[in-house]
Amino acid sequence: ETGVTQSPTHLIKTRGQQVTLRCSSQSGHNTVSWYQQALGQGPQFIFQYYREEENGRGNFPPRFSGLQFPNYSSELNVNALELDDSALYLCASSSGPTAPYEQYFGPGTRLTVT
Amino acid sequence: AQTVTQSQPEMSVQEAETVTLSCTYDTSESDYYLFWYKQPPSRQMILVIRQEAYKQQNATENRFSVNFQKAAKSFSLKISDSQLGDAAMYFCAYRSPDQTGANNLFFGTGTRLTVIP
Repeated sequence: ETGVTQSPTHLIKTRGQQVTLRCSSQSGHNTVSWYQQALGQGPQFIFQYYREEENGRGNFPPRFSGLQFPNYSSELNVNALELDDSALYLCASSSGPTAPYEQYFGPGTRLTVT
Repeated sequence: AQTVTQSQPEMSVQEAETVTLSCTYDTSESDYYLFWYKQPPSRQMILVIRQEAYKQQNATENRFSVNFQKAAKSFSLKISDSQLGDAAMYFCAYRSPDQTGANNLFFGTGTRLTVIP
């Protein structure tokens, strides 16, 4: 059974650019959640995708958007990058969109905005 | 909105000893889930233990156990017989059983645990 994978591992972008991060969910999982973890902080929920539809969103602006594909992999897109977007981006997959379905996390993508 | 507070930014424990990490939370809900996650330097968040609020019995997973005090909104993690591999950031997290995805995991700011050989 393959776990949750994310690509790329590290990324450096310039302020104002756009970035796409990718997440492959664990086999059998239909839900992907994305989190932003700033340095020294706990992860903050960005949004969740369930069966290709966004079904929940945290307190993030619209320039954070996403997609989920028929194979349940997912992308996180961030437009007009700001310096404060520098963080570790984690995705987590689960076999359902709500508790008690356990979320399995990937290793994250470290984004640096200069 | 739910908040999760971890008041110990750093803790240390001697190998083979016991350590307790603290977590408090604020919620108006009566039913919810609480979790402890471990994040080693590899960055991958790993579930250590979880507790359903409707269960009075404290959860236990091998060397890890919790002290869940619902009235006090307290959820501490006890690690017994600490091992070098336990060194990591530990995050306490809360989740509502809400049927939408909007109420996802709320994390505390973490406690960095150092294990001294």
